[in-house]
Amino acid sequence: NAGVTQTPKFQVLKTGQSMTLQCAQDMNHEYMSWYRQDPGMGLRLIHYSVGAGITDQGEVPNGYNVSRSTTEDFPLRLLSAAPSQTSVYFCASSYSGQAGAYEQYFGPGTRLTVT
Amino acid sequence: AQSVTQLGSHVSVSEGALVLLRCNYSSSVPPYLFWYVQYPNQGLQLLLKYTSAATLVKGINGFEAEFKKSETSFHLTKPSAHMSDAAEYFCAVSGDSYDKVIFGPGTSLSVIP
Repeated sequence: NAGVTQTPKFQVLKTGQSMTLQCAQDMNHEYMSWYRQDPGMGLRLIHYSVGAGITDQGEVPNGYNVSRSTTEDFPLRLLSAAPSQTSVYFCASSYSGQAGAYEQYFGPGTRLTVT
Repeated sequence: AQSVTQLGSHVSVSEGALVLLRCNYSSSVPPYLFWYVQYPNQGLQLLLKYTSAATLVKGINGFEAEFKKSETSFHLTKPSAHMSDAAEYFCAVSGDSYDKVIFGPGTSLSVIP
C-alpha cells in the first residue's frame, strides 16, 4: 500500500494564482481531511470529508475549496493565492474503527510558498 | 469544546536521559488521545493512542504514555533518549466526530550527544 500520497512536494505561486494540491489514499478510508501547519500553531483543519460526495469546512476554510468525487481522492484548490497561505499542507485519512477514535494517516506534505 | 496544551515548545535532553513531553487536554466527552511524531520534512505518524482500555499505553520506539483522568493529562515518556528521537511531537484529542480532532501546538525535542 502506498498509504496517503500528495503532489506536488513543493510549489511556489505568485499572489493571485490558483492551483490544486492533490491527495490520494489507497486504504479505503471513509474520512479525509486537509490541514495546514504553521510554526507554533500545530495543525489546523481546513476542510474535511466523511465520505464520497460529502465535504464540510474546518477551522480555517477561507480561500480554499475541496471536492470528493471518489473515496480515494480529495484535492484541495487554492482559488487566488495570498502570502498568508504560505504553509505546509498535509492531507490525512482515517476510519471509524472505534467510534470517536479517529487515528489519522498522514501524507508527506506539500510545502507552498506564495510570493 | 476540546483543547490540547503542550507545555514547552522546545525540550532538550541528553542522550540516554529520560524524555518527558507534557500534554494536557480538555474534553466534554470521554476522550481518545494520541501522540504523533514528525521527523524533519515528513508527515506525522502515530506513536501511540489511548482508547479507554489500559491507562498506560505503549507505543513504537520505546515510548509510552499514561492517561490520568484526574489530572486531564497524557504525558509521553521514554526512559532513555536516542539521537534518532529528535523530532516534533504532537498530542491530539478526538471526541465524538471527525471534525473534532484537535492537535496541540507541538513540542520540538532535541537530543544532545
